[in-house]
Amino acid sequence: DPKIIQKPKYLVAVTGSEKILICEQYLGHNAMYWYRQSAKKPLEFMFSYSYQKLMDNQTASSRFQPQSSKKNHLDLQITALKPDDSATYFCASSQEAGDTEVFFGKGTRLTVV
Amino acid sequence: AQSVTQPDARVTVSEGASLQLRCKYSYFGTPYLFWYVQYPRQGLQLLLKYYPGDPVVQGVNGFEAEFSKSNSSFHLRKASVHWSDWAVYFCAVSSGSFNKLTFGAGTRLAVCP
Repeated sequence: DPKIIQKPKYLVAVTGSEKILICEQYLGHNAMYWYRQSAKKPLEFMFSYSYQKLMDNQTASSRFQPQSSKKNHLDLQITALKPDDSATYFCASSQEAGDTEVFFGKGTRLTVV
Repeated sequence: AQSVTQPDARVTVSEGASLQLRCKYSYFGTPYLFWYVQYPRQGLQLLLKYYPGDPVVQGVNGFEAEFSKSNSSFHLRKASVHWSDWAVYFCAVSSGSFNKLTFGAGTRLAVCP
């Protein structure tokens, strides 16, 4: 029974379009994160949120915007999609931002054509 | 900047054989270190974690890892590999800052009958 739900599992998008990746966690955690895994790079940290506030942003491009409408939600909006954005995006969470045990969702595999 | 190197992209072992997956880290200060496993079409699952203390840490499913400050290493071991261990294994280091995990490129483990 997955506790971190990511939707959709697979997503194909056209270059230049905009997509939103959904993440909900039911672990009662206060910190949430996004990571990206592409064919060319190791799994890399993108954002961290704590109590719905942005704590750290390691994404150079403003085309990636996290959105936290609820405490247990952290969606990722990606605008002006490029083929290089093709990757699997993982949502993760931990009890608090300072906790070192991080739990991951199953990911959304995005392909930009 | 912190970094993690997993020098072996792919390791093949026979079922029942022992296993060591190598991990070297670069980190200024005292690191928190982790091994995660990714089964096919799954998210990452935590195998074990190292906090400053006993250098040998035990994880799930018979895995253990040993921290060496002098060698800047955190190698993963298992005495007897099972076919279900077929997966990709990631070593990671945490900065402690809002759980930014830095991952290695991963080692793909194949288990032969």
